[in-house]
Amino acid sequence: QVQLQESGPGLVKSSETLSLTCSVSGDSISSNKYYWGWIRQPPGKGLEWIGSMYYGGTTYYNSSLKSRVTIYEDTSKNQFSLKMTYVTAADTAVYYCARLPVVGTAIGAFDIWGQGTMVIVSS
Amino acid sequence: EIVLTQSPGTLSLSPGEGATLSCRASQSVSSSYLAWYQQKPGQAPRLLIYGASRRATGIPDRISGSGSGTDFTLTISRLEPEDFAVYYCQQYGSSVTFGGGTKVEIK
Repeated sequence: QVQLQESGPGLVKSSETLSLTCSVSGDSISSNKYYWGWIRQPPGKGLEWIGSMYYGGTTYYNSSLKSRVTIYEDTSKNQFSLKMTYVTAADTAVYYCARLPVVGTAIGAFDIWGQGTMVIVSS
Repeated sequence: EIVLTQSPGTLSLSPGEGATLSCRASQSVSSSYLAWYQQKPGQAPRLLIYGASRRATGIPDRISGSGSGTDFTLTISRLEPEDFAVYYCQQYGSSVTFGGGTKVEIK
């Protein structure tokens, strides 16, 4: 059974860097069958895709966040991570990691999600 | 960027009734790369439908998806108590975007 678990600080100061890690069990992030992604949800609001990665370093980012976001892998720990710089109160949200199957030559929908972790940006 | 508009914002229905949720895209979604998710309070979203009409693993057949191009629909034929939740559509044919959600609440 594949499981994803987010971890990281629940409180980050404004203008600093947010760092989160997603630990994957039951599957390998080095598999050529899947991409791995991050999505966030501000309190009481909808979902926003942050970015996705494929093993070996291929990444895709939301154009509105691209200048501040990096997603990278640690295959030795079977983890992938999110780094977001210069955070503001607008970055306060629940952050989810999720798996995306490869469908032919395309990327599929998010089929397995972590439980999410709340990050509050304080001034 | 493809913008997804979901309607209605809130649907008030009774258990046993049918629900029809709409998702309209600002431009055609390539290869029907359209998904639907269900989210309950305090929980992560759960994939219901992908490829516009394919049910994810374990999703009952009273939940179905249809549509192509710019107009997509999620239909729940008979609402069960566990179906009252927020539903999001998402396109993954050109980058990734989500709709704003439709809340299905108990009338």
